[in-house]
Amino acid sequence: DVKVTQSSRYLVKRTGEKVFLECVQDMDHENMFWYRQDPGLGLRLIYFSYDVKMKEKGDIPEGYSVSREKKERFSLILESASTNQTSMYLCASRGTVRYNEQFFGPGTRLTVL
Amino acid sequence: AQRVTQPEKLLSVFKGAPVELKCNYSYSGSPELFWYVQYSRQRLQLLLRHISRESIKGFTADLNKGETSFHLKKPFAQEEDSAMYYCALPSGGYNKLIFGAGTRLAVHP
Repeated sequence: DVKVTQSSRYLVKRTGEKVFLECVQDMDHENMFWYRQDPGLGLRLIYFSYDVKMKEKGDIPEGYSVSREKKERFSLILESASTNQTSMYLCASRGTVRYNEQFFGPGTRLTVL
Repeated sequence: AQRVTQPEKLLSVFKGAPVELKCNYSYSGSPELFWYVQYSRQRLQLLLRHISRESIKGFTADLNKGETSFHLKKPFAQEEDSAMYYCALPSGGYNKLIFGAGTRLAVHP
């Protein structure tokens, strides 16, 4: 089974703090993704990476950055957390075969006070 | 632009009733669509994909290119079907997915 793990299930941070969300997958997948999940808005792609050190902006990259130094690990960074970044964050990974499914982590519920 | 629309935020039915979760898409070309499901306190997971023509947990989905729809159907809903359902469309060379806003299905006893 593909395992995608995220470093925290719940995080509470203060406005202005720098926040790191970590994601690790164990299936040697090339592609990794970070999404926000908000009620009524579905999943919105923040950033994705198709290889080590390679990244592309998704639909809502503002206020976020990412890092992928190793194939199995993809980090999401909130440079200066704001209250509107309170959300559920989902990491996913996927291989390169066409029609491959995305495998999701359990999510990190981030609250910014 | 590619887009996925799920018009219902909530669908509430009684056990044993038929279920249809609507999904409409905007895509130039021949799309391959997916349904993902998230049960309470579980991670998001693939339910079924158009290319496989499969039935999973009694659910089926047919691609209707004329109506640009990929509705998810089940003839007799069960309480364990209660979950959040997302329709998704590939984008950017199949590496990315575009998700709809999701529909919460509530099946009452």
